Amino acid sequence: DVQMTQSLSYLAASPGESVSISCKASKSISNFLAWYQQKPGEAYKFLIYSGSTLQSGTPSRFSGSGSGTDFTLTIRSLEPEDFGLYYCQQYYEKPYTFGAGTKLELK
Amino acid sequence: QVQLQQSGAELAKPGSSVKISCKASGYTFTSYYISWIKQTTGQGLEYIGYINTGSGGTNYNEKFKGKATLTVDKSSSTAFMQLSSLTPDDSAVYYCARSRAIAAISPFASWGQGTLVTVSS
Repeated sequence: DVQMTQSLSYLAASPGESVSISCKASKSISNFLAWYQQKPGEAYKFLIYSGSTLQSGTPSRFSGSGSGTDFTLTIRSLEPEDFGLYYCQQYYEKPYTFGAGTKLELK
Repeated sequence: QVQLQQSGAELAKPGSSVKISCKASGYTFTSYYISWIKQTTGQGLEYIGYINTGSGGTNYNEKFKGKATLTVDKSSSTAFMQLSSLTPDDSAVYYCARSRAIAAISPFASWGQGTLVTVSS
């Protein structure tokens, strides 16, 4: 199985700051990578696919980059609603696998 | 808008089975695959498998073969997952999720709210 590693479990930031969340695949997955946000009591929100394509409705302050094995989710000028858990997921090959998540907390 | 409404929490005894439902609305049910995902604190998110809601065809993660059975009722736009021979390791939150694109499996554009399954004697 492709292992997805999110090196940071926690990340603390303040509103207005920019943050980057990394995700590394154990083998090349081309750009078959998605990002999701999870907030308590809410359904998972699908943010980005194909490594860098914003899903309709995802604010433009979100951006994704990378291909192959290394990927980054960047959030510019954090808004209060951006704090939560972020997961990457590869859909290059089955079984699809997820990173362990990075919790973006309010500093 | 797309909605996936899952059934409520389940408390089950070891060795028993549970069947979770995922009722879809807001789109043509048979055009998009439904996948199921397990979430635990220890193992994180694990992909269980998917069902082709049009044909009923299924594909499972090897880890969940024999554990999960995916079915669909097109008449009610509902997908089901049955978990059998339950053990405490099956205690988790289970999510259904719809693919982003027609005839694609992933990524997962819409998620249900999750169903908590607790296995305890």
